[in-house]
Amino acid sequence: AQTVTQSQPEMSVQEAETVTLSCTYDTSESNYYLFWYKQPPSRQMILVIRQEAYKQQNATENRFSVNFQKAAKSFSLKISDSQLGDTAMYFCAFVPLYSGAGSYQLTFGKGTKLSVIP
Amino acid sequence: NAGVTQTPKFRILKIGQSMTLQCTQDMNHNYMYWYRQDPGMGLKLIYYSVGAGITDKGEVPNGYNVSRSTTEDFPLRLELAAPSQTSVYFCASSHNSPLHFGNGTRLTVT
Repeated sequence: AQTVTQSQPEMSVQEAETVTLSCTYDTSESNYYLFWYKQPPSRQMILVIRQEAYKQQNATENRFSVNFQKAAKSFSLKISDSQLGDTAMYFCAFVPLYSGAGSYQLTFGKGTKLSVIP
Repeated sequence: NAGVTQTPKFRILKIGQSMTLQCTQDMNHNYMYWYRQDPGMGLKLIYYSVGAGITDKGEVPNGYNVSRSTTEDFPLRLELAAPSQTSVYFCASSHNSPLHFGNGTRLTVT
């Protein structure tokens, strides 16, 4: 079974500053995907970024980037130039590729509540 | 496209009552999922389906039932509601892509 650990229940950052959210995971699989999802107060689950384990290059999406350390089983999210709209819960999630073609049975961490302060 | 639609948005049940949470998707995705989210916790998989007529248990299936008679619909049934089922429920779908989530149903059992 896989586990995903987010060790920071809450974080805050000043607007325009940079913040890093931590995530570690435990698996015996070698091929998998990792995700960061954002959940604002509206309760929507929004995909922020995805990383394929077989890719060494860290994924980036505009102000969001990850630091993927496969050997250390670490997958942190960096948010640059933080904006008020980034205030949300952030969830790290894992899925092994063996789940089946097209199947995404994700395992989620408990989340980090991020507050962006004006 | 509407994506994944869940109804109702909110519901209060008394202990022992039953209800069905509805989920429909218009993206022709084969895979559909039900997750629950408890306060301070991440999402946990209740049931999933790999196609019409095929369902399987996730991590926390007890107290729930599902069916998948069509590709579009994946309802979740609570037969005898218990306070432990107070949660936010998310339906999602996928096919060779990250999950598309519905907006959730907040269920309170008192």
